[in-house]
Amino acid sequence: DVKVTQSSRYLVKRTGEKVFLECVQDMDHENMFWYRQDPGLGLRLIYFSYDVKMKEKGDIPEGYSVSREKKERFSLILESASTNQTSMYLCASSPGTPHHYNYGYTFGSGTRLTVV
Amino acid sequence: AQKVTQAQTEISVVEKEDVTLDCVYETRDTTYYLFWYKQPPSGELVFLIRRNSFDEQNEISGRYSWNFQKSTSSFNFTITASQVVDSAVYFCALSSSNYQLIWGAGTKLIIKP
Repeated sequence: DVKVTQSSRYLVKRTGEKVFLECVQDMDHENMFWYRQDPGLGLRLIYFSYDVKMKEKGDIPEGYSVSREKKERFSLILESASTNQTSMYLCASSPGTPHHYNYGYTFGSGTRLTVV
Repeated sequence: AQKVTQAQTEISVVEKEDVTLDCVYETRDTTYYLFWYKQPPSGELVFLIRRNSFDEQNEISGRYSWNFQKSTSSFNFTITASQVVDSAVYFCALSSSNYQLIWGAGTKLIIKP
């Protein structure tokens, strides 16, 4: 069964900490995405990557960075966590060839991050 | 500009009722795809259906059916004989040409026993 795995389901961090959220997919997908989901705001794209070492800013990249050193792994980094980054973080992947970009996404189960 | 509108923020029905979730989209692309995802309380978004812009046939999968109408730019989702397990947030999404999906805000569906 194909999977996107997020390393933590729940995480509590202190303000100012550097936080790493890890995402691994086993489908050999080219594209990977990080979203945050907040009540009333739906899904908002933070960053995405369509190849190793490639990254593109989404709609709300401020306060975040990403790393994609290997095809299967896409990390989201909160450089200095703040309370307004308390949220549900969702990772997704999709095939990336021109014939396949419309297959939709496979999502991980999410990481609920609380910054105190 | 591309946009997906799910005007219903929350719907509450009694079990066994039929319920329709609305999705209206905007795009200038001639080729595009539309999606529905389900997010149960556990949090993971689950893919339900993908439909391309050239296929306007309605689709039925068990108690689920989808009505795609290009003339009204709508892709509505109906659950027949709803069950408590159908309670979730449902998202409609539209593909764009740069590998991204444009998401609606979601509709929270509550099925009461």
